[in-house]
Amino acid sequence: SQTIHQWPATLVQPVGSPLSLECTVEGTSNPNLYWYRQAAGRGLQLLFYSVGIGQISSEVPQNLSASRPQDRQFILSSKKLLLSDSGFYLCAWSVLYYGYTFGSGTRLTVV
Amino acid sequence: GQQVMQIPQYQHVQEGEDFTTYCNSSTTLSNIQWYKQRPGGHPVFLIQLVKSGEVKKQKRLTFQFGEAKKNSSLHITATQTTDVGTYFCAGQGDSSYKLIFGSGTRLLVRP
Repeated sequence: SQTIHQWPATLVQPVGSPLSLECTVEGTSNPNLYWYRQAAGRGLQLLFYSVGIGQISSEVPQNLSASRPQDRQFILSSKKLLLSDSGFYLCAWSVLYYGYTFGSGTRLTVV
Repeated sequence: GQQVMQIPQYQHVQEGEDFTTYCNSSTTLSNIQWYKQRPGGHPVFLIQLVKSGEVKKQKRLTFQFGEAKKNSSLHITATQTTDVGTYFCAGQGDSSYKLIFGSGTRLLVRP
């Protein structure tokens, strides 16, 4: 069966520090991978998606970046965090045109 | 760009009452999906609707996709406290891997 792992679960980082969030998927090949951000009590904002290794599409201009170094690994990064980067970061995977499976998310607080 | 709007933002019902949330897209969709997010949790896929006018049921939940494939609804009959959470619709366009989420409807159920 397919599983998705996302870590860490919570993170408190100072303004200006770097960020690296990792997501891995097991049990499937060539999944579509996604990073979403959810502000407290709000909807889900698509940040990045990837349909293959090294293929990244950015949806929202910001100081975040994403990379897909392996088929089932998706990484969200920042060189310098801003206060506005706080939120609930969710990784998800899907096969073409079907339901997404979300990871358990990372709650990031930038202080 | 594609937008998905969802109403109401909140609904507070007495246990046993019915609940409905509505979703409208600015563009025609290839499919619409529904997700449930429990407080503190991550979104969980409920169902996907693909055909114009499609109606699907899952126990007390009824999902509809509009004839023009631009709107959808989720109806819960006789709510229970276990139904508490935020319900999101999410639309996918014809030529896109991206899933655009509505802002969600938060359901609170009084026991």
